[in-house]
Amino acid sequence: LAKTTQPISMDSYEGQEVNITCSHNNIATNDYITWYQQFPSQGPRFIIQGYKTKVTNEVASLFIPADRKSSTLSLPRVSLSDTAVYYCLAPNDYKLSFGAGTTVTVRA
Amino acid sequence: DTEVTQTPKHLVMGMTNKKSLKCEQHMGHRAMYWYKQKAKKPPELMFVYSYEKLSINESVPSRFSPECPNSSLLNLHLHALQPEDSALYLCASSQGSASSYEQYFGPGTRLTVT
Repeated sequence: LAKTTQPISMDSYEGQEVNITCSHNNIATNDYITWYQQFPSQGPRFIIQGYKTKVTNEVASLFIPADRKSSTLSLPRVSLSDTAVYYCLAPNDYKLSFGAGTTVTVRA
Repeated sequence: DTEVTQTPKHLVMGMTNKKSLKCEQHMGHRAMYWYKQKAKKPPELMFVYSYEKLSINESVPSRFSPECPNSSLLNLHLHALQPEDSALYLCASSQGSASSYEQYFGPGTRLTVT
């Protein structure tokens, strides 16, 4: 059964790098993997998107191995304001499916 | 303007009421979405409109009725809801409905069914 899975929670300290891995075991050849950030009582906000290998923007990097069955979001040097829920969105069996979300807590 | 607006922000309705949620975007996006999000859960896709036509209905009960009057507006009509329908309803839009397009989300409507 195709499913998008990610860890439930991660703790970190300010200035550290946080890596969150998402598994999407049945993604189609042409599909992209997208990551969103969500704060309480707000809608999700786009972070980064990729198709293969590595993508980097001003806030994050996304690593996708050749088999595309997983992807890793990397947040460099997190701050307290990065405390949020992070969702992986990947089509599984051609159906858009959010992972369960990873709650990242950044401590001083 | 990269904003998706949703009204109302909060809505309380009884099980016999009829109400509507509204969503608007002015980014020229041709795909619009409704999601339902329960507390501490991910958003669940309900409907997708592509070029103002319903392209995906994720087996949503008929008490939820979507409508796309034009390319900028998306409505969700609610009728005879159940208490378990209480949730945050999120609207999103994107340039297209393929996974290569990022979605822009509104702030949501917090719905409580009594």
